Amino acid sequence: DADVTQTPRNRITKTGKRIMLECSQTKGHDRMYWYRQDPGLGLRLIYYSFDVKDINKGEISDGYSVSRQAQAKFSLSLESAIPNQTALYFCATSDLRRGRTSTGELFFGEGSRLTVL
Amino acid sequence: GENVEQHPSTLSVQEGDSAVIKCTYSDSASNYFPWYKQELGKRPQLIIDIRSNVGEKKDQRIAVTLNKTAKHFSLHITETQPEDSAVYFCAASIGGTYKYIFGTGTRLKVLA
Repeated sequence: DADVTQTPRNRITKTGKRIMLECSQTKGHDRMYWYRQDPGLGLRLIYYSFDVKDINKGEISDGYSVSRQAQAKFSLSLESAIPNQTALYFCATSDLRRGRTSTGELFFGEGSRLTVL
Repeated sequence: GENVEQHPSTLSVQEGDSAVIKCTYSDSASNYFPWYKQELGKRPQLIIDIRSNVGEKKDQRIAVTLNKTAKHFSLHITETQPEDSAVYFCAASIGGTYKYIFGTGTRLKVLA
């Protein structure tokens, strides 16, 4: 089955370290997103990309950067991790159907749990 | 900025009863309102959605209603079952875009 795959699934790191979370998808979708989930705060958008050459900031982009290496790959980086970036991170994709109405549905990866000590 | 408020944060119901979760949004240009279900330890998955040109949509035991004037929408689950226990998130599109603002989630517990 076509899927959205995140690596690593779990990571513990120390303050100040650089961390990269990777996302790859076999769904053939153009749009890719990075969300952060914290208890009681829901899902907050960090960055999104509607095309390989299109990168946009979301609600909480400070302290994060992204790279869209290919249509199927979208990486999230924390240049210098801090404890309040401890969270569950989700990559998601959605389908852009040129000339047709997109469903708008987000397909999430399994999540990457990051702990910054 | 755009905002989506979701209530209640937790909800317990007896098996077989109905559950209602409510959300309000701030962006009058929002035109797409999905609901996601996240089971414990799993990824969120879409369960139902509604577009702004429709007032109500049903899919078996779940339904969503939309009141554009009041800028609120609700999820209704009838005849709840233990497998309905999960966290439910509402979301609203930012204007007519494919960016979404999520609510803070409702933890639903269905008591057997």
